[in-house]
Amino acid sequence: GQNIDQPTEMTATEGAIVQINCTYQTSGFNGLFWYQQHAGEAPTFLSYNVLDGLEEKGRFSSFLSRSKGYSYLLLKELQMKDSASYLCAVMDSNYQLIWGAGTKLIIKP
Amino acid sequence: IAGITQAPTSQILAAGRRMTLRCTQDMRHNAMYWYRQDLGLGLRLIHYSNTAGTTGKGEVPDGYSVSRANTDDFPLTLASAVPSQTSVYFCASSDSMEGGADTQYFGPGTRLTVL
Repeated sequence: GQNIDQPTEMTATEGAIVQINCTYQTSGFNGLFWYQQHAGEAPTFLSYNVLDGLEEKGRFSSFLSRSKGYSYLLLKELQMKDSASYLCAVMDSNYQLIWGAGTKLIIKP
Repeated sequence: IAGITQAPTSQILAAGRRMTLRCTQDMRHNAMYWYRQDLGLGLRLIHYSNTAGTTGKGEVPDGYSVSRANTDDFPLTLASAVPSQTSVYFCASSDSMEGGADTQYFGPGTRLTVL
């Protein structure tokens, strides 16, 4: 079966760095997406990785290792507004997104 | 530019009733999707449409139907609602034709409670 695993919840301090991991087993691979979802709102796109390596976009970076079935989202200089759920999703061989359950990130002052 | 709109925002529905959730996008995207989101689970695909006039079944299609008469609209119908269909429903769209890996953009969601 297809499976996306990510931690349920993480806590970090304002101004610090946090890494959210995602491991996956899917039927085929056509890229990995990270989305941010604030409580009661829609998911919004953060990043897309299809090749191995690190993609940096401001305070957020995303890393992919296809051989290990592993990705992480790195958030630097954490701000209170970064408190949200972070969703990992893999596009399978049918170009359908398989979603993890999300990681709830709590930022403390 | 509104992007994707969904209606209603929330709804309480008696079991056995018929309900249509509306979704409209103004981005001229080819593909549209319906997901449900339940606590502790990832988003699950209900139905999708790669282009106007075509639809397909996702992971959890039972009890739901869709139509795609034009590019902009993609309504989701529950023919006879059951309590297990209580969920938050998200509509999404992307610019990909079949076989594309484009980003999906989401509407604000509809919170549905079936009693």
